[in-house]
Amino acid sequence: NAGVTQTPKFRVLKTGQSMTLLCAQDMNHEYMYWYRQDPGMGLRLIHYSVGEGTTAKGEVPDGYNVSRLKKQNFLLGLESAAPSQTSVYFCASGGQGRTEAFFGQGTRLTVV
Amino acid sequence: LAKTTQPISMDSYEGQEVNITCSHNNIATNDYITWYQQFPSQGPRFIIQGYKTKVTNEVASLFIPADRKSSTLSLPRVSLSDTAVYYCLVGGRRYGGSQGNLIFGKGTKLSVKP
Repeated sequence: NAGVTQTPKFRVLKTGQSMTLLCAQDMNHEYMYWYRQDPGMGLRLIHYSVGEGTTAKGEVPDGYNVSRLKKQNFLLGLESAAPSQTSVYFCASGGQGRTEAFFGQGTRLTVV
Repeated sequence: LAKTTQPISMDSYEGQEVNITCSHNNIATNDYITWYQQFPSQGPRFIIQGYKTKVTNEVASLFIPADRKSSTLSLPRVSLSDTAVYYCLVGGRRYGGSQGNLIFGKGTKLSVKP
């Protein structure tokens, strides 16, 4: 049972490039989340999904898009990367009736 | 969502009991209080959740007074490995979020010294 898996773990992008971060969970959870965490800061919610085919904006959605075409996957896209998007990105998932959310190991993204 | 206020940082020594207090003056009747722990370079991990009075598990205790406007996470006899950031969330029973949201503040950075 892998839990929540994020791909890739590390990535360096040039300004203006695009990329997609993949989050996969094998716990059949309905809820999934994408966060970013900057040095010395807490986690800030980018987008979330309450079920397959649904997405919603979080606290800092600008510059990102998401899709939840399959229940087990939640994709985070950067269409035109900017240095301000240099951060560690975490994905999380949670199931109905559960009291805890489970997090992935994070993706360290650097935009130069 | 009820806003929470925690100390930015705390220091302690090995073997001491650590209490981290979180203020949530605008907590709603249906809100639960949930704490997460985050080690460096890792995602947060659920510690404990409660609604009122006291909750205890193998890791920590959570004390909630009758007015529920604050809560205290208690870590007994901390060790170096308890050095982490601790987040207090107030919201629905599901993970500490409400209406799908799961909002973290800046948390409390606990440093345990030998």
